[in-house]
Amino acid sequence: GAGVSQTPSNKVTEKGKYVELRCDPISGHTALYWYRQSLGQGPEFLIYFQGTGAADDSGLPNDRFFAVRPEGSVSTLKIQRTERGDSAVYLCASRLGLNTEAFFGQGTRLTVV
Amino acid sequence: GNSVTQMEGPVTLSEEAFLTINCTYTATGYPSLFWYVQYPGEGLQLLLKATKADDKGSNKGFEATYRKETTSFHLEKGSVQVSDSAVYFCALSRNFGNEKLTFGTGTRLTIIP
Repeated sequence: GAGVSQTPSNKVTEKGKYVELRCDPISGHTALYWYRQSLGQGPEFLIYFQGTGAADDSGLPNDRFFAVRPEGSVSTLKIQRTERGDSAVYLCASRLGLNTEAFFGQGTRLTVV
Repeated sequence: GNSVTQMEGPVTLSEEAFLTINCTYTATGYPSLFWYVQYPGEGLQLLLKATKADDKGSNKGFEATYRKETTSFHLEKGSVQVSDSAVYFCALSRNFGNEKLTFGTGTRLTIIP
């Protein structure tokens, strides 16, 4: 596709359930980022992949959050034992390489009830 | 650590008014500075950036100058249009913008005809 694609666009889940959020970056983009945006706040960094490896996972809030990018393209953010405080818009961004612009997807709105 | 403080909104202006949205930052070293914009129903888009002191970023009539002495990157536009209504985020990134972005909380701008 032309841009960064995130699916689903909306996800409602019950407290305690497991969820997976998917990000399809722009083709050929080697860098991929996940951010979380709570209501009324700016995006907060979660994790950064360069290729298949997590170059920086310092933003993951706890061990319930995990992300993978096994083939260096699509990435999945996984949240175990969801809590109401996990409700937010989860954004994905990708970049072609060094010194290039990061392009954002439209996000997945996660609601934990 | 790194942080960005931006002017709280919402901001409401009449068409053709002058716009300033203040942004100040705290960072180690010499970060790159960015303004991102989120139009209704769309993903975050890069509006402009500056990578070193005294650089001026500009796009779509918007400008911002990297002021190291005041650690600021205020966004300005001489004559706003209804189509400029959006949420604006100031952000920084180290290593010439190749690392994670740290965002401010966002400023919602509404332009009335």
